[in-house]
Amino acid sequence: ETGVTQTPRHLVMGMTNKKSLKCEQHLGHNAMYWYKQSAKKPLELMFVYSLEERVENNSVPSRFSPECPNSSHLFLHLHTLQPEDSALYLCASSQDRGGIGGTEAFFGQGTRLTVV
Amino acid sequence: AQTVTQSQPEMSVQEAETVTLSCTYDTSESDYYLFWYKQPPSRQMILVIRQEAYKQQNATENRFSVNFQKAAKSFSLKISDSQLGDAAMYFCAYRSLNYGGSQGNLIFGKGTKLSVKP
Repeated sequence: ETGVTQTPRHLVMGMTNKKSLKCEQHLGHNAMYWYKQSAKKPLELMFVYSLEERVENNSVPSRFSPECPNSSHLFLHLHTLQPEDSALYLCASSQDRGGIGGTEAFFGQGTRLTVV
Repeated sequence: AQTVTQSQPEMSVQEAETVTLSCTYDTSESDYYLFWYKQPPSRQMILVIRQEAYKQQNATENRFSVNFQKAAKSFSLKISDSQLGDAAMYFCAYRSLNYGGSQGNLIFGKGTKLSVKP
């Protein structure tokens, strides 16, 4: 247990469904991240929130919509996904000190998403 | 842009033996962090060890140590007295010391799958 909790652990959804992934961190960190992990590919950074403001959006398709209501919670809203979106989605948090690089990121256990 | 390369997709080691995982990176920055993360079948990424580039001394954490060669931009991980529980994917990661936009984000290599034989 590293203090970052993701739900659900597994999700199967149809291409026309709408679902949300949830991430919660209990570490008092001020930055949260969504990563996508596909087979045989490096981890892909999707979104970064620092102090609840989105600071990074790596050209992610609009069918992925993040939400960060406070520094402890992060959501990833999914709609009209494609089969190629099937992957492990990892949430992470870290403590970033403004203009100075932060510490290491702590990860959740991920949500295994399958789009059918 | 920074890149991280792990040239060994898979490695195997006998239990109780030592294994070294390779990582190279490319950056124009002089100060940064380097990390090794472990991802077991449970999928959770766990920090194994970290190195600050401004520190010349190699980091160690129990059976895990690194060989940090800044000039060569090399950051290898040595696992001594390998245990069955060490079997996992190992990811090398880079992080800039500066934070702003994408600069402070973790950049990962593709990973090395380590198998431990009993």
